[in-house]
Amino acid sequence: QKEVEQNSGPLSVPEGAIASLNCTYSDRVSQSFFWYRQYSGKSPELIMSIYSNGDKEDGRFTAQLNKASQYVSLLIRDSQPSDSATYLCAVWDTGRRALTFGSGTRLQVQP
Amino acid sequence: DAGVTQSPTHLIKTRGQQVTLRCSPKSGHDTVSWYQQALGQGPQFIFQYYEEEERQRGNFPDRFSGHQFPNYSSELNVNALLLGDSALYLCASTYTSGYGELFFGEGSRLTVL
Repeated sequence: QKEVEQNSGPLSVPEGAIASLNCTYSDRVSQSFFWYRQYSGKSPELIMSIYSNGDKEDGRFTAQLNKASQYVSLLIRDSQPSDSATYLCAVWDTGRRALTFGSGTRLQVQP
Repeated sequence: DAGVTQSPTHLIKTRGQQVTLRCSPKSGHDTVSWYQQALGQGPQFIFQYYEEEERQRGNFPDRFSGHQFPNYSSELNVNALLLGDSALYLCASTYTSGYGELFFGEGSRLTVL
């Protein structure tokens, strides 16, 4: 069974700090990776996608991918209280044409 | 441009009953997938519909069935409801050539008593 692992948290950071969220995956042939943000009681919202090794930056968000280590991370710079949410790491399963999600990391940004 | 819309947003059923959830995909999207999200867990893939046929299926029993209509909208049916079916049911749409950039609706929260 293909798996995606995340620390459930909560990860607590002060406002203005960098939040670092990590994810590992089991399927070596995976090629597409995503970070979704989910506010309490709401549906997941796509915030980042990454397909190649290295870093991809979008505003305050940076996604990092290391396929050799089967590791994906999300950095949030200048964290704001509005970033408090659960962050879901997802890996595209080409065979099933479906996303496999981790259980999410809850981030709390303290004002 | 309307995003993915789902109905109803909340519903309560009792064990053994049947439920139908509905989804309209984002404009231009032709592929609809359904996911189940239990409390505190990540979404789990139920199945995917394309060209009015079930194309892929996750590890869910036959009590879970679906349908896709010519206008790409979709339904999820669950028969013989169990307490464990209580969850947020998410519909996601994409292009058939997409590789994971799914757009989710707001979900239907099902409570089974």
